[in-house]
Amino acid sequence: GAVVSQHPSWVICKSGTSVKIECRSLDFQATTMFWYRQFPKQSLMLMATSNEGSKATYEQGVEKDKFLINHASLTLSTLTVTSAHPEDSSFYICSARGGLAGVAHYNEQFFGPGTRLTVL
Amino acid sequence: AQTVTQSQPEMSVQEAETVTLSCTYDTSESDYYLFWYKQPPSRQMILVIRQEAYKQQNATENRFSVNFQKAAKSFSLKISDSQLGDAAMYFCAYKVEYGNKLVFGAGTILRVKS
Repeated sequence: GAVVSQHPSWVICKSGTSVKIECRSLDFQATTMFWYRQFPKQSLMLMATSNEGSKATYEQGVEKDKFLINHASLTLSTLTVTSAHPEDSSFYICSARGGLAGVAHYNEQFFGPGTRLTVL
Repeated sequence: AQTVTQSQPEMSVQEAETVTLSCTYDTSESDYYLFWYKQPPSRQMILVIRQEAYKQQNATENRFSVNFQKAAKSFSLKISDSQLGDAAMYFCAYKVEYGNKLVFGAGTILRVKS
């Protein structure tokens, strides 16, 4: 249990276009989802936290108009990179946490496999 | 603010040997969780081990064990009988109880030599 998927796993786009990344919790209801950005050989940088049905909370320095996050259901959150530019190229990881029936580790975050974004 | 420090950017270990990865953290909270995550070349984050701060007993998961020193705010990971599949980047992470955010360290790249 506690599986999180991301789609797509890899995307290449032209500068100026928008890209949507989906994060799904497959076998549990994710009350909270997180979006991270990771550069090669670096740590994960939290971009934003989203709770189902409410606006995302963005970390300092993250442009909320550029990185649109929607958490419309308990199993789906999306990150849209608007008007992407080459400097937005990175590895984006989502994670999810929530009340898991029968599973005690609700204080854990379960991570998706990540999405590699390349902006040309 | 809570911080997590991993002072070893890279470590190497011979296959079948034991290696210890260091982690220190800073917090004023008394109730929190500590984690070690593994990120192999696939980049999928995998939870290796977790420790609740209120538990004095060190967590153990097969070949992985921790040395949790609450007063010293230290949380090291010991990998015994290292295997080639253990090669990865390892992240130490902290979360205050009932909080949302995971605070990650900078990571340690572990190389396993055959």
